[in-house]
Parts: sequence; C-alpha cells; structure tokens
Amino acid sequence: AQSVTQPDIHITVSEGASLELRCNYSYGATPYLFWYVQSPGQGLQLLLKYFSGDTLVQGIKGFEAEFKRSQSSFNLRKPSVHWSDAAEYFCAVGDNNAGNMLTFGGGTRLMVKP
Amino acid sequence: DVKVTQSSRYLVKRTGEKVFLECVQDMDHENMFWYRQDPGLGLRLIYFSYDVKMKEKGDIPEGYSVSREKKERFSLILESASTNQTSMYLCASSIGTSAYNEQFFGPGTRLTVL
Repeated sequence: AQSVTQPDIHITVSEGASLELRCNYSYGATPYLFWYVQSPGQGLQLLLKYFSGDTLVQGIKGFEAEFKRSQSSFNLRKPSVHWSDAAEYFCAVGDNNAGNMLTFGGGTRLMVKP
Repeated sequence: DVKVTQSSRYLVKRTGEKVFLECVQDMDHENMFWYRQDPGLGLRLIYFSYDVKMKEKGDIPEGYSVSREKKERFSLILESASTNQTSMYLCASSIGTSAYNEQFFGPGTRLTVL
C-alpha cells in the first residue's frame, strides 16, 4: 500500500527567507505526486503535480518541487516566502490502480514571521 | 469557475443522531470523494464515487455511508453519530479516470458531536 510521510509537523520561517517542505512516499511504481495548500478556513488548492518528464516541477504562487526517485522524495520549495504563504501544506500520492484515490501525508503547518 | 460547495461550515450534533453532510459540484465531474481531516493525520478517504449510484469504500468507511442519486450531489451519512466522529469533513470532485487529474475541494464542514 502506498504511504506519504511529511516529517515536519510545524515549520516557522521569516518573511523573505527560503522554504523547503519535505515529503517522502512509499509506492511500488512511478507515482503521481501532488502538493496541495490549505489556507485558514479554506478547502485545499492544488499547487503542483508530477508524473513524468522533468523532475523539477513549477507550480502556482512561485512554488516548485523536485522529484528524486532514489530518495523517494518530492520536496516543495520556494525561494522567498511571503506572509500570505502561511497555511498548511499537504503532499499526496495518486494510484490509478486504486481508482482515482489519493493518499495524503499528515501535513506541515507553515508559520511566517514578519 | 470550478466550484464545490458543502451544505454547512459548522455543525453540532448529539451522540446517536443521524447526520447528513451534503456536497454539490457544478463541474459535471464523474468522481466525488469524502475525506475527514484530523490534526497530524492529514486527509483520510472515507468513500468515493465514480458514477451515479456507484460507491467505493476508502480507508476509513466504518460508521459512515454515502449516497449519490444525481451526478452533481454526493452525501455523507453518519447513521448514529459518535464523539469520535468529531472532525473536519472535506468533499472533493475530479474528472475522468486518471488519478493524475486534479481534485477540487469544498471549504469543509466542521462537525462536533457532543
């Protein structure tokens, strides 16, 4: 069965600093990988996704993620964080062999210091 | 613009009550999903549906049932609510048969069972 681990439950960064959120997955084949963001009081919004091709994926709001097969990782990065990036971030893996199901990690809550 | 709406943002029920959570999408999507979100556990799939009157169990279906009588509407039913079902419930929808297709989320219903 597939699984997703986000090792950091909370992260605090200063505004303008760089950000990296970690995601490790367990899956037998090449996975579909996603990052979603949940702002306070909102549903989840897709930031970016990856299946094949260039292992560095660009998303919305200036985010990018890099797929590293050897490390089973799909870390999310942003070069300069804005106060509006404070939110909860979820990594997920999808499996066509299980319908359109996604398996989510536990989430990382990002706080941004002024 | 894509839209998934949920009938209530906040709901308070008593133990043993029957609870209905409604979700409507206006995108003509085939697939609809119900998740519950708990701190540190991320999102866990309760049930999903890939067509009218079709349903599949997710990872945590115990204590829940679903109904999909029309393509745009997917209902989650708690037959006899219990305190351990206090949680945030998120509905989502997606198009097609691939897990690579984006899931669009509603704003969530925060259910408290007393």
